[in-house]
Amino acid sequence: EAGVAQSPRYKIIEKRQSVAFWCNPISGHATLYWYQQILGQGPKLLIQFQNNGVVDDSQLPKDRFSAERLKGVDSTLKIQPAKLEDSAVYLCASSLGGRGAGANVLTFGAGSRLTVL
Amino acid sequence: AQSVTQPDIHITVSEGASLELRCNYSYGATPYLFWYVQSPGQGLQLLLKYFSGDTLVQGIKGFEAEFKRSQSSFNLRKPSVHWSDAAEYFCAVGVGNDMRFGAGTRLTVKP
Repeated sequence: EAGVAQSPRYKIIEKRQSVAFWCNPISGHATLYWYQQILGQGPKLLIQFQNNGVVDDSQLPKDRFSAERLKGVDSTLKIQPAKLEDSAVYLCASSLGGRGAGANVLTFGAGSRLTVL
Repeated sequence: AQSVTQPDIHITVSEGASLELRCNYSYGATPYLFWYVQSPGQGLQLLLKYFSGDTLVQGIKGFEAEFKRSQSSFNLRKPSVHWSDAAEYFCAVGVGNDMRFGAGTRLTVKP
């Protein structure tokens, strides 16, 4: 099966500019996650979707970050305006979702590396 | 508070030596437990998972992990490390829809 697709792989912008990342999850996966991974740290959940609804966005800096999953398939994460501390890798992951142990198995994309100058 | 701790930031082992990476968690209930590996410039790849049953689980690439409820630990082991195992390893803990990751352990393999 095809994996989780993310684009772009790399992006360099100046502070106060905007950027958008795109993710296409594995077909049939109801749950989609966006994680932020700062260099030297573990992934931190930004937002979790179940189909096209938000399950958890408690750690999303909503003054500058937004995300949508309009048709319950692919998703876009936007940052506007970007700050220096937003430099990180943005990882998208998907899982089957629902109940049961298998619902929690995440498959990750390769990530989008953002550098803010 | 719920947390996942990987006490070792960086470990260096010689090729062919055994490996153990530590992971401790703090949760109210027994969570689902995972180990992921991340090579430079890549996303995270699932090594193994524990949901229930046998506390010793086998994963890919010759890795195994043991769940010890009394110690709230889920340590990752490999009997003989290969140079290609050099990477970052993340322990993850899931309860319901909540999935949290440790800070990671970077593994360096000496020739």
